[in-house]
Amino acid sequence: DSGVTQTPKHLITATGQRVTLRCSPRSGDLSVYWYQQSLDQGLQFLIQYYNGEERAKGNILERFSAQQFPDLHSELNLSSLELGDSALYFCASSVGDRGQVGANVLTFGAGSRLTVL
Amino acid sequence: AQSVAQPEDQVNVAEGNPLTVKCTYSVSGNPYLFWYVQYPNRGLQFLLKYITGDNLVKGSYGFEAEFNKSQTSFHLKKPSALVSDSALYFCAVRDFGSNYQLIWGAGTKLIIKP
Repeated sequence: DSGVTQTPKHLITATGQRVTLRCSPRSGDLSVYWYQQSLDQGLQFLIQYYNGEERAKGNILERFSAQQFPDLHSELNLSSLELGDSALYFCASSVGDRGQVGANVLTFGAGSRLTVL
Repeated sequence: AQSVAQPEDQVNVAEGNPLTVKCTYSVSGNPYLFWYVQYPNRGLQFLLKYITGDNLVKGSYGFEAEFNKSQTSFHLKKPSALVSDSALYFCAVRDFGSNYQLIWGAGTKLIIKP
């Protein structure tokens, strides 16, 4: 157990639907990151939050949004789902903020596997 | 643009033999380099990092990596492979642009045969 908790583990839904993925970071970590892993595009950084504030954006689609709450857990919302959104979505956490070396030492959750039919 | 390449999609090694997983990078300035491992149905785990100092970096599970500035490489090594080392290995480099995030290689599947 890495200390990063992601729910749900598996999710099957239909095109056009909306889903929410949830992440609880490791105790003491203030940064949360979301990644998408697919066979054709590899590991893609989506977004980072630090202590409730958005800190960096990667290849996140406009149909996707995220937030980090005061208790530091985070949610990734995926809407108007398409077949191509089927992927493994990882949450990771770290102690530091971007720019700090510790920020790149990430602890990953086990992932949420999304299947869009 | 900064990038990292893992030239081998898959590496096959017999148990007990030394293993090497290759990584090359392209950055402006001094690189911050990382290796992560992903076991089947698991999230990635941090193995080791190079920031500065000794070119040979030791990490978890007996792995080490050698930083070579002239060859812009950061190869992952282990003297004696175990079947349990079979996994997907990712090399990454810090992006010193605006977001300081990791730029990831495509991953190398390591298969250790008994």
